[in-house]
Amino acid sequence: AQKVTQAQTEISVVEKEDVTLDCVYETRDTTYYLFWYKQPPSGELVFLIRRNSFDEQNEISGRYSWNFQKSTSSFNFTITASQVVDSAVYFCALSFYGGATNKLIFGTGTLLAVQP
Amino acid sequence: EPEVTQTPSHQVTQMGQEVILRCVPISNHLYFYWYRQILGQKVEFLVSFYNNEISEKSEIFDDQFSVERPDGSNFTLKIRSTKLEDSAMYFCASSNVFLNTEAFFGQGTRLTVV
Repeated sequence: AQKVTQAQTEISVVEKEDVTLDCVYETRDTTYYLFWYKQPPSGELVFLIRRNSFDEQNEISGRYSWNFQKSTSSFNFTITASQVVDSAVYFCALSFYGGATNKLIFGTGTLLAVQP
Repeated sequence: EPEVTQTPSHQVTQMGQEVILRCVPISNHLYFYWYRQILGQKVEFLVSFYNNEISEKSEIFDDQFSVERPDGSNFTLKIRSTKLEDSAMYFCASSNVFLNTEAFFGQGTRLTVV
């Protein structure tokens, strides 16, 4: 079965704190892709990152970083020095290489509230 | 930057009425999708469309739903007879499947069935 679990339903931090959003996935496929999307209060889905299963290098983009560990089937997302504008729901998602449609399977999301 | 455009942004309809949600995918993309998000819940796959036919659909996508690409640019989702439980945000997405790139999402259409 393919599944994405985001165990943290809500996280509240104070501005400038670092915060890590957890994502654990399940799949039998050896080739797959992992994604993070941000959904701000306005409702749209904003793509943040895509990683393929062969690339376990961690990635940093400004205040954002991602830690992909196949051994624990996790793809965690860290925001450094959080800001109020980071307040949103964050979704982790999984898709499969060579599948019929490359549909995305989403986790339930983590609501991040950054307090000033 | 190219983007996926959805119209309308919000639609209110009476139960039992037909609705058509419209999307203009990114022009060089090959795969088109509809996803649904009931308020406060996760985003769920409804259907994917490639080469003018449905390539995959979920259990949610029953006979009340249909999709169409009528003119080579628009991609529509029709709900034939809406139910209260169809109230949700509907997202259209498109992707270039051969590169297995990320799906680009539209801003969503909030459907409210009353």
